[in-house]
Parts: sequence; structure tokens; C-alpha cells
Amino acid sequence: DIQMTQSPSSLSASVGDRVTITCRASQGIGTYVNWYQQKPGRAPNLLIFAGSSLRSGVPIRFSGFGSGTDFNLTISSVEPEDFATYYCQQSHSTVLFTFGQGTKLEMK
Amino acid sequence: QVQLQESGPGLVKPSETLSLTCSVSDDSISSYYWSWIRQSPGKGLEWIAYIYATGTTNYNPSLRSRVTISMDTSKKQFSLKLRSVSAGDTAVYYCARMEGAPAGYSWFDPWGQGIQVIVSS
Repeated sequence: DIQMTQSPSSLSASVGDRVTITCRASQGIGTYVNWYQQKPGRAPNLLIFAGSSLRSGVPIRFSGFGSGTDFNLTISSVEPEDFATYYCQQSHSTVLFTFGQGTKLEMK
Repeated sequence: QVQLQESGPGLVKPSETLSLTCSVSDDSISSYYWSWIRQSPGKGLEWIAYIYATGTTNYNPSLRSRVTISMDTSKKQFSLKLRSVSAGDTAVYYCARMEGAPAGYSWFDPWGQGIQVIVSS
């Protein structure tokens, strides 16, 4: 199985801050990484696919970068609606799709 | 934008079979792959299975022996059956459309709202 390890598990930030969430894969996976945002009581929503492609309708303050084993999700300037939990997910293995454990972005 | 809606019992007894259905709001059911994913505090997000209209399926190896995914394109629905459930199967179950293809880039978008399933006697 390909393990996806996110760091940090939680992060405190203020509105306007730049924040970066990291995801590390247990083996090289090219750019087969997707990022999701989840708010309490809601389903995850896709933000970034294929490593760095922004889903239509997602604000451009969100960006994804990385290849191989190390990936980042960056919010260039946090807005109030961005406080949520973020997950990475690999689609390199067609046998088993796996997710990171999540990073909770909290208001400082 | 396509909408997905999960349905099924919210309470299942241990050792019984959990059965869920996902209803798709448009005719795209024949053109995409469709997945079930669950989320629990202990295991996080866990992909369960996917299916395509041709009948192609794939299962999480850790659940393969207990899971069946199926599709009824005429009803615009796909379903999940999980046999011999235990407390460890308590989770929120989501259905989701897979954009892309399993052999290439793929991602889950959109997701249903989710359905809480509790396994308890």
C-alpha cells in the first residue's frame, strides 16, 4: 500500500496568513495527488487534482505543488471560510486509493 | 452539476449485511467510474470500491472478501453491500464520482452528502 503522511496534523493561522500543508508518499507517485477540503458535517470537496490543477470554481489562493514523494498545498492568504480540514489522496495505485490522515486548519 | 444521494439504514446489527444505494441525478452514470468511500474517526478516509457501467469493479484488498458493488443504470443508481459487519464498520459512508480513469489520473468529484451507519445490536 502507498501511505500518505500529512504534516502538520493541525495548524493555527490568522486571516491573511500564508499556510502550507505537506503530504509525503511512501513511494514515488509522480503527480498523482489530489487535495480535498472538508468542513464539519460535510463531505470532502475537491480543490486540486493531478498535483497542481485547480478545480473549476476553487479560488486561486489555493495551489498545489510537488512530484515524486513530496507534495504541498498552499493557501496564499487565508480567508475565514478556509478554516477546515484538508486531505491529500493518491491515485497512483489503481489497486488501492489512499488518503492522508488530514490537517486541521484552525483560527489562531 | 451532478448530485449524488446516499440512502439506506443508519443502524445495522453485528454480523449482518450493510446495504447502501447512491442515486445519481443525471445520465452520467454510464460515462464515469463511481466509488464508495467511508470515514471513521479511527481509520480516517478509506476508499472501498469502484464500478464502471461495463461492470468493471475494483475493491480495497482489506475489504474485498466482504464487499460487493453493483450498478443499475436504468435507475441511475449504484449500490454497496458489506457483509458480516462489526463495530469497526461504523462510519460515514460516501458515494462519489470518479473523474478521470483508474489507469491514469483520477479524483473524486463530486461526493454525496454522506450517510452515518452505526453497527450495534
